[in-house]
Amino acid sequence: GEDVEQSLFLSVREGDSSVINCTYTDSSSTYLYWYKQEPGAGLQLLTYIFSNMDMKQDQRLTVLLNKKDKHLSLRIADTQTGDSAIYFCAEGFSGGYNKLIFGAGTRLAVHP
Amino acid sequence: KAGVTQTPRYLIKTRGQQVTLSCSPISGHRSVSWYQQTPGQGLQFLFEYFSETQRNKGNFPGRFSGRQFSNSRSEMNVSTLELGDSALYLCASSLGQGKNEKLFFGSGTQLSVL
Repeated sequence: GEDVEQSLFLSVREGDSSVINCTYTDSSSTYLYWYKQEPGAGLQLLTYIFSNMDMKQDQRLTVLLNKKDKHLSLRIADTQTGDSAIYFCAEGFSGGYNKLIFGAGTRLAVHP
Repeated sequence: KAGVTQTPRYLIKTRGQQVTLSCSPISGHRSVSWYQQTPGQGLQFLFEYFSETQRNKGNFPGRFSGRQFSNSRSEMNVSTLELGDSALYLCASSLGQGKNEKLFFGSGTQLSVL
């Protein structure tokens, strides 16, 4: 079945790295996404990774994928207060026509 | 380029009524998807439209319906509203190529059912 799990809360100090973890159950997913949601706003696509990749780096963001363990992580380097938000991981499927399976979201709190 | 526009931003309805939400996609995007976000169930896929045709739908009752117009704008309708329909309804648009689509979300319509 389709299920995506995330820890609900993460607190980090400004300037440190944040690591948000996600596990999924459906091995047929072909792409995995990270979205960010700020209060009162919709979802903003941060980055994505194809299931045949192990890692993707995009400026301060690093995505690691362990397909064997069905584990996905998002590392944010030099975390800033503006990074405080809810982060969602999501699975997509070939031919899924934009049906993404989302995790519950991880609330990231950045403190001075 | 304007983003995805959803109207209205807030809605208050009572049980039994029906409601129509509107979504204007990014110019050039032909696919529109709808998601429901609630604290209990999280983000759940409702349906996706491309060229006025529904290509995919989630597990929601028939009270939830949608349509897409020739200019790619989309509406979703919920009939016979229930308290549990209170949610943030998010619309997302994409090019519609069907593979690894980057979804661009609107700010949503917050629906409260009293």
